[in-house]
Amino acid sequence: AQSVTQLDSQVPVFEEAPVELRCNYSSSVSVYLFWYVQYPNQGLQLLLKYLSGSTLVKGINGFEAEFNKSQTSFHLRKPSVHISDTAEYFCAVSDYGGATNKLIFGTGTLLAVQP
Amino acid sequence: DAGVTQSPTHLIKTRGQQVTLRCSPKSGHDTVSWYQQALGQGPQFIFQYYEEEERQRGNFPDRFSGHQFPNYSSELNVNALLLGDSALYLCASSAGGFLNTEAFFGQGTRLTVV
Repeated sequence: AQSVTQLDSQVPVFEEAPVELRCNYSSSVSVYLFWYVQYPNQGLQLLLKYLSGSTLVKGINGFEAEFNKSQTSFHLRKPSVHISDTAEYFCAVSDYGGATNKLIFGTGTLLAVQP
Repeated sequence: DAGVTQSPTHLIKTRGQQVTLRCSPKSGHDTVSWYQQALGQGPQFIFQYYEEEERQRGNFPDRFSGHQFPNYSSELNVNALLLGDSALYLCASSAGGFLNTEAFFGQGTRLTVV
């Protein structure tokens, strides 16, 4: 069975500082990997996705993530955060070529950007 | 281009009642998935509909049922509501049947059971 672990429930960071949100997954098959962002009282918005090819994936709002198969990780990074980046971030995995595109989510990491 | 729309946005129900939530997928999408997001948790997969049939189901009891209409819109029904059913219910749409490259989410329906 697949699972996703986001070890950090909350990450406080000062504005303009870099940030890394960690995500590890377990799966017995090849996977697709995603990062979603959720602002308060909103649905989920896709930040970026890894399907295949280059292991460094660039997304919206200056975020990027690196797929590391040997470490089974897909950490999210941003070189300089803004107050507006304060939100909940979810890492998710789905089966490569599976019968559905069911997403398995982690428990989320709250990015709290302070002035 | 309208994205995924869900209705209602908020709902308060009493234990034991039944509720129906609605979802219209993004234009061009034919697959609808439903997720339950309890407070402080990540979304949990309930089920997915494609070609008007339930294609896969997560670990949810039979009290949770759904339907997909010919126009690809979908309903989620929950019977005999429990306090623990209080959550944000998210609908996600995608295209292409077995392809799973991206899901677009709606704003969700916040269900409170009292």
